[in-house]
Amino acid sequence: QLQLQESGSGLVRPSQTLSLTCAVSGASVSRAYYAWGWIRQPPGKGLEWLGFIYHNGNTYYNPSFQSRVSISEDRSMNQFSLHLTSVTAADTAVYYCVTEGDAYAFHSWGQGTLVTVAS
Amino acid sequence: EIVLTQSPATLSLSLGERATLSCRASQSLNRYLAWYQQKPGQAPRLVIFDSSKRAAGIPARFSGSGSGTDFTLTITSLEPEDFAIYYCQQRTDWPTFGPGTRVDV
Repeated sequence: QLQLQESGSGLVRPSQTLSLTCAVSGASVSRAYYAWGWIRQPPGKGLEWLGFIYHNGNTYYNPSFQSRVSISEDRSMNQFSLHLTSVTAADTAVYYCVTEGDAYAFHSWGQGTLVTVAS
Repeated sequence: EIVLTQSPATLSLSLGERATLSCRASQSLNRYLAWYQQKPGQAPRLVIFDSSKRAAGIPARFSGSGSGTDFTLTITSLEPEDFAIYYCQQRTDWPTFGPGTRVDV
């Protein structure tokens, strides 16, 4: 069974870079079937997709974050990572790692990790 | 950007009642429309994908329908565990979500 687990700093200073990692178990990040991605949810608000990385290393980002976001993978560790630069308080959110699978739906979700941007 | 609008914002119903949730898109979609259920403090959970297919473990009282710009999630008889927020999501373009419909008692 595919499982995802986020980890990373829960507090980031304004203007710094937010970095999170998603550990994958039950599947390989190099598997062609999936896209590996990140979605966030500000407190009390809705869901916002940030981007994907595919098995071949190609990436696809939300145009609204294109200049600040990057997603990478580490096949040796079977994990993938999110980096979001120049953060502000508006980037405070619960960040979820996800898989996009059959019919381009998000079939699997991590439990989420709250990241607060504050000085 | 494809904008999704969900209605109503809140649906107040009783156990055993039928829930009908609407998702409308700013432009015509392909069939890749999904619905998610989210309970407080939990990650969203996939309910319906490909417009009408139930995800693994989702009971038959949940069904999805629609095409073009109008899609519907129906819960035929509400159980206590169904009270939650439901989001629709499209994949005709880069993924976007609707603002959600809260189903409460």
